[in-house]
Amino acid sequence: EVQLVESGGGLVQPGGSLRLSCAASGFPFSSFSMTWVRQAPGKGLEWVSAITGSGGSTYYADSVKGRFTISRDNSKSTLFLQMNSLGVEDTALYYCAKAAAAAGLNAFDSWGQGTLVTVSS
Amino acid sequence: EIVLTQSPATLSLSPGERATLSCRASQSVNSYVAWYQQKPGQPPKLLIYDAFNRATGIPARFSGGGSGTDFTLTISSLEPEDFAVYYCQHRSNWLSITFGHGTRLEIK
Repeated sequence: EVQLVESGGGLVQPGGSLRLSCAASGFPFSSFSMTWVRQAPGKGLEWVSAITGSGGSTYYADSVKGRFTISRDNSKSTLFLQMNSLGVEDTALYYCAKAAAAAGLNAFDSWGQGTLVTVSS
Repeated sequence: EIVLTQSPATLSLSPGERATLSCRASQSVNSYVAWYQQKPGQPPKLLIYDAFNRATGIPARFSGGGSGTDFTLTISSLEPEDFAVYYCQHRSNWLSITFGHGTRLEIK
């Protein structure tokens, strides 16, 4: 069974940094692209970033480019999101998700429960 | 940037009825369109990928279609557990991923 467990969220002041982690199990982690998607309280879904299985290619939404960095440690089956220069607009529940086997980065078939990031003074 | 507009924002129907949800792209796009269902307090669940392919374990009452700028998710006969929020998502050729703002499907 695929499991994705996010951690690292919390309360941070504007301008601060956080590093999110997503521990994966139940599938060959290095064979799958992964993504981060966020959801502000009561709002819709917003794609944040994605990374290929090898980690060789990374992609970012314009809203986080230059501030966030996605990475992965395939030896530990863990996905990361380093978030710098955080603003109140980054307050959201952050989900990690696995690319669907048959669809690559076109769709995401397994999601974690999310970790909440709150940016506030 | 491609914008996905979902309509209606809210759809009120009864169990057993047919639901048709729309996702319109701001320009003609490839068929890398996915649909997700999200219930309160839960992460999204993949229903459809590449416009019309059902994800593993998704009942046959869910179907996807469309091309160009107009895509649809159809639920042929609503079950009580189908009332939720539905999102469409598109992946562009230069790997930018966009979600629509969602359609809330509520019990009438």
